[in-house]
Amino acid sequence: EGRLLESGGDLVQPGGSLRLSCAASGFTFSTYSMNWVRQAPGKGPEWVSVISSGGGTTYYADSVKGRFTISRDNSRNTLYLQMKSLRAEDTALYYCAKVAVEATKYNALDIWGQGTMVTVSS
Amino acid sequence: DIIMTQSPGTLSVSPGERATLSCRASQSVGSDLAWYQQKPGQAPRLLLSGASTRATGVPATISGSGSGTEFTLTISSLQSEDFAVYYCQQYNNWPYTFGQGTKLEIK
Repeated sequence: EGRLLESGGDLVQPGGSLRLSCAASGFTFSTYSMNWVRQAPGKGPEWVSVISSGGGTTYYADSVKGRFTISRDNSRNTLYLQMKSLRAEDTALYYCAKVAVEATKYNALDIWGQGTMVTVSS
Repeated sequence: DIIMTQSPGTLSVSPGERATLSCRASQSVGSDLAWYQQKPGQAPRLLLSGASTRATGVPATISGSGSGTEFTLTISSLQSEDFAVYYCQQYNNWPYTFGQGTKLEIK
């Protein structure tokens, strides 16, 4: 059974930066595309970004494009999200999530971490 | 972007009864539709992918149907653990998009 553990969430001022990490275990990390999904308090999930298994393809929601960068280190089984120019509307619980089928471009998200909270406020 | 619309927003059902939740896509997503269950303080849990394929450990009381733009999640004989918020999500293309959720509450 795979597991994901996010870290790095914090209280940050508007305009600030933060890097989130997601440590994976229990599955072959390097063969699955990985995603970041966020959920603002009391709201539904919002997909943020995806990275292909090898890291060569990335895609972002328009709301974060140009400010967030997704990356991965397959040797460390770790996924990252570098966030800059943070805004109040980025306040949310950030989850990393694995696609259900390896070597697929699009698929459902079958394993989620417990999330790490990012609060953007002065 | 593909807009996912769920109905109703809240559904009140008695234990032991059947619940039917709906999800509509603004354009065809084929069968690239997932359903998730979320309980307070927990991450979403995958229930169904491919519109109707149950994820590991999901009981047979949960079923899904539909394709194209209209989808349904059915929970037969509701148990206490089924009362939660349910989200549909399309993964036909990026950006993946979620519905706004249906809260299933005890009547």
